[in-house]
Amino acid sequence: GPKVLQIPSHQIIDMGQMVTLNCDPVSNHLYFYWYKQILGQQMEFLVNFYNGKVMEKSKLFKDQFSVERPDGSYFTLKIQPTALEDSAVYFCASSLPWQGRKYERLFFGHGTKLSVL
Amino acid sequence: TQTVSQSDAHVTVFEGDSVELRCNYSYGGSIYLSWYIQHHGRGLQFLLKYYSGNPVVQGVNGFKAEFSKSDSSFHLRKASVHWSDSAVYFCAVSASSSFSKLVFGQGTSLSVVP
Repeated sequence: GPKVLQIPSHQIIDMGQMVTLNCDPVSNHLYFYWYKQILGQQMEFLVNFYNGKVMEKSKLFKDQFSVERPDGSYFTLKIQPTALEDSAVYFCASSLPWQGRKYERLFFGHGTKLSVL
Repeated sequence: TQTVSQSDAHVTVFEGDSVELRCNYSYGGSIYLSWYIQHHGRGLQFLLKYYSGNPVVQGVNGFKAEFSKSDSSFHLRKASVHWSDSAVYFCAVSASSSFSKLVFGQGTSLSVVP
């Protein structure tokens, strides 16, 4: 079936440095999402993105976070600068556009484990 | 603000047994309820969803869930589990004010003993 690819699967970085997490969404999808999961805790919504804009973001989406999808390429999550509490698994997801009340299932990637030292 | 609670962190059953994974939510307005499954080391996969109509919804691989407004619940059930059903199951809610923002529960880890 359709797949969302996340690159890399594991990223180790020193605190204060910049990191970019890459997501290759399903080809015809137009809604994109990032979720954060700290080990042993629930997965939490960070942001969703449509038509080149952030639609909604949570309190976890700090000022150091940014997302973009330039020219239909990877959907990226950039953290600059990183902090220790950013260590987590970050899941990317994509879906078809939400239109009215029609539910659109999310397709998730396998996650990128970010370790901030 | 919508919230989701999955009261059981871990459930262990034998192959062929039935299982119920519990999900309770809180939100006053219209919502979507859904279940996703996560096998170890993989991304979440959609199982089923409910918005309106028949409160019992059928999903893939013999899973079904029942919505109860009075109990604010959306429990997932399977009549006869297989070892391959071992995974973490997440209940999710999205509110009418922002349907595309899914809020997930803590997850229930299901272990099926062969």
